[in-house]
Amino acid sequence: GENVEQHPSTLSVQEGDSAVIKCTYSDSASNYFPWYKQELGKGPQLIIDIRSNVGEKKDQRIAVTLNKTAKHFSLHITETQPEDSAVYFCAECNSGGGADGLTFGKGTHLIIQP
Amino acid sequence: NAGVTQTPKFQVLKTGQSMTLQCAQDMNHNSMYWYRQDPGMGLRLIYYSASEGTTDKGEVPNGYNVSRLNKREFSLRLESAAPSQTSVYFCASGRRGPPTNEQFFGPGTRLTVL
Repeated sequence: GENVEQHPSTLSVQEGDSAVIKCTYSDSASNYFPWYKQELGKGPQLIIDIRSNVGEKKDQRIAVTLNKTAKHFSLHITETQPEDSAVYFCAECNSGGGADGLTFGKGTHLIIQP
Repeated sequence: NAGVTQTPKFQVLKTGQSMTLQCAQDMNHNSMYWYRQDPGMGLRLIYYSASEGTTDKGEVPNGYNVSRLNKREFSLRLESAAPSQTSVYFCASGRRGPPTNEQFFGPGTRLTVL
């Protein structure tokens, strides 16, 4: 991966509403797109990921969509709860390429208002 | 399983001092990584080890060295610390290979260089 843009940097939503975080990438060879949740003082935790051969993946209240043509992918959280408050990072890589490691976006601070 | 463990949790150094950050994983992963996280930034890859006996530079390797001691352990060394190395350091381990690069992170080491 080369570059990942993530928006917005801060997102405040009412409890029970949905939250959407978007990322764009530049490397057309990228084929693996994880999302991480980081709570204060802790390491990032993998919450969902998607491979390039899939357009959408869902896990309970969390879903990720991928548009390879437009080179963007999004995280959707429905029925938000206070415990969803955290910083969320998107990432990407070319898992079959010579370089290793993930390229991360700069993060979105999600605030759930009670 | 403890997952990925890191020591120490906190460290304060003076400019020019050296130290080694320790990382261990018990998930039998081949790949291990060191990232740094700075305020307002995502995580940036310092070094990685795709398998025991190999190490490679990431995006920001200057001022660091690494050692893959065995399959479980991957250490990061600062030979002569500089204030620009003040950061939170995360170790990760994972399974790499198409179509995934799933990585699991430790709790981090918070380093301050005065």
